[in-house]
Formats: sequence, C-alpha cells, structure tokens
Amino acid sequence: DVKVTQSSRYLVKRTGEKVFLECVQDMDHENMFWYRQDPGLGLRLIYFSYDVKMKEKGDIPEGYSVSREKKERFSLILESASTNQTSMYLCASKSGISRQYFGPGTRLTVT
Amino acid sequence: GQQVMQIPQYQHVQEGEDFTTYCNSSTTLSNIQWYKQRPGGHPVFLIQLVKSGEVKKQKRLTFQFGEAKKNSSLHITATQTTDVGTYFCAGRETSGSRLTFGEGTQLTVNP
Repeated sequence: DVKVTQSSRYLVKRTGEKVFLECVQDMDHENMFWYRQDPGLGLRLIYFSYDVKMKEKGDIPEGYSVSREKKERFSLILESASTNQTSMYLCASKSGISRQYFGPGTRLTVT
Repeated sequence: GQQVMQIPQYQHVQEGEDFTTYCNSSTTLSNIQWYKQRPGGHPVFLIQLVKSGEVKKQKRLTFQFGEAKKNSSLHITATQTTDVGTYFCAGRETSGSRLTFGEGTQLTVNP
C-alpha cells in the first residue's frame, strides 16, 4: 500500500522559531510537493521538487525554504515562523502525470 | 499564471438531492483531476480526465471535461451522508507537471 507520511500531525511553535516539517514517501516518486491549506483558499503550492536536490517555487514561497537530499524525503523549513504561517501543511508525491498521493497533513500553530 | 476557479464554495443539500460543482481554468488543460477530502482528512484522488468532452462515471458520481478543455464538473446524484466533504478539482497545463488546485467546494448533507 502506498504511503506518504509526515513527521507530526500537530505542531505548536513560537514566533521566530525555526520549524522543520518532514515528509517521506515510499513509492519511489520523483515529484514531491508542499501545500498549505487555508479555509476558502484551497490548496496553495509552496514549493515542489522533481528530483533530488532540485526545487522550484510554487505560488507562495515567501517565508519558506525546502530541502531534498534523498529521493524519498522532502523537508519544508520555516526559517522564522510567523503567526500568518499558522495553517494546515500537506505534502504530496507523484510520478509523471499520475495522481498525487497526499500525506495526513500537519496542523501548525504559531503563537 | 494559471488559475483554477471552482464554484460554489459551499453547498448544503438534503440527503437524496443532487449536487454539482464546477471548475474553470484560465488556460487550456492537458488533464484535470478530482479529489475528495473528508472532514479531518487529506485529499484523496477520485479520477482523472484527459480527453476533450470526456465523461466518466463512478457509481453516483459523473465527471465531465469540457470540449475546450478549460472547464470540468462533478455531479453527484442522490447524495448520501457519506458524500460529505470538500471536493477539489486540479488542472495540469499542457506543459509542466504541477497541478493547480481550485478552492474546493465544501458539501454538507443533511439526513
């Protein structure tokens, strides 16, 4: 059974902290994505990666960075968390033009 | 950049009524995918449409892709309480591998 896992379901951080969100997939997919989901705004793409060490900005990359050192792992980094980054973060992976597989999500609260 | 708009944002129906959500893209799409997210869950792939004018059915769900490949719809016949959730469309442009998601339609079904 295919699986995308995320390091935490719930996370509470303070303003200014550095935050790491980890995502791991076991399907050998070359493409991985980070989205944030906010009510009424749908899924907005933050960054994506189409290969190891490759990354591209999505629609809302400001305040975020990513790392992909291994094919199965894609990390989202908030260099200095702010309250407007409180959101649900969803990781996804896919191969080619096929369907995306989503992880369970991390609900991040920045206080 | 590409925009995908989805309406309505919310829909409340009585069990047994029909439901339709519409998706419109600012650019021509190579394919469109539909996802369902149950409350508290993550988006799960439903279907992919590729051909102009394509119609696909999954039990009570009917998916259509417009002739111009710029719009799509999801129609549910005789809704059930198990249909509750948010339905997202996601379009892929002719070039590139990223999907652009619509804002989603949140469906509630009153028993």
